[in-house]
Amino acid sequence: SQQGEEDPQALSIQEGENATMNCSYKTSINNLQWYRQNSGRGLVHLILIRSNEREKHSGRLRVTLDTSKKSSSLLITASRAADTASYFCATVPWHIFGTGTRLKVLA
Amino acid sequence: GAVVSQHPSRVICKSGTSVKIECRSLDFQATTMFWYRQFPKQSLMLMATSNEGSKATYEQGVEKDKFLINHASLTLSTLTVTSAHPEDSSFYICSASPGGGDDQPQHFGDGTRLSIL
Repeated sequence: SQQGEEDPQALSIQEGENATMNCSYKTSINNLQWYRQNSGRGLVHLILIRSNEREKHSGRLRVTLDTSKKSSSLLITASRAADTASYFCATVPWHIFGTGTRLKVLA
Repeated sequence: GAVVSQHPSRVICKSGTSVKIECRSLDFQATTMFWYRQFPKQSLMLMATSNEGSKATYEQGVEKDKFLINHASLTLSTLTVTSAHPEDSSFYICSASPGGGDDQPQHFGDGTRLSIL
């Protein structure tokens, strides 16, 4: 079974709105990473959060990590049409990817 | 930034053909590379960890003889799908990271879409 499970599986929002995606995992981790995948392409690394960190920011991205609940969230603020993609969390070790959230930002 | 190149991007071939996919780290050395398989609208499934100069480590359920991995240099790993059949049709992606440590982000190739007729 998948280590990571993203929620929701699909999300459709208007440009300018915020998008929040959640990821839950099952075992202990060293760090958790979020990736983005445009249709039919490879993955692009967005942000890494270590197991001893609770929150991290990078531009319009904000990631939180709750190791007690084994969950993480990715917030994209002021979304743009170009943010339309699938977003995956990946736990390290094991490099297990979650099921992904398909985000669609409508212009 | 770190770049991983994957080739070919798309392959269409007949059943029974063997297909080789290359994964190259262009501007860094990678002692470890990872091979994934992805089905439509699904997540990436780790197939194997490719180790330079030694045998690959395969995930449970992945046939070693079916998916041959060779990591002959610090910048190149190859995945060969032997005697491919329609059920092997999928999107295959490789990744690597400078330094190879778990604390580093993975850099991905653009994937290879394999279609077996």
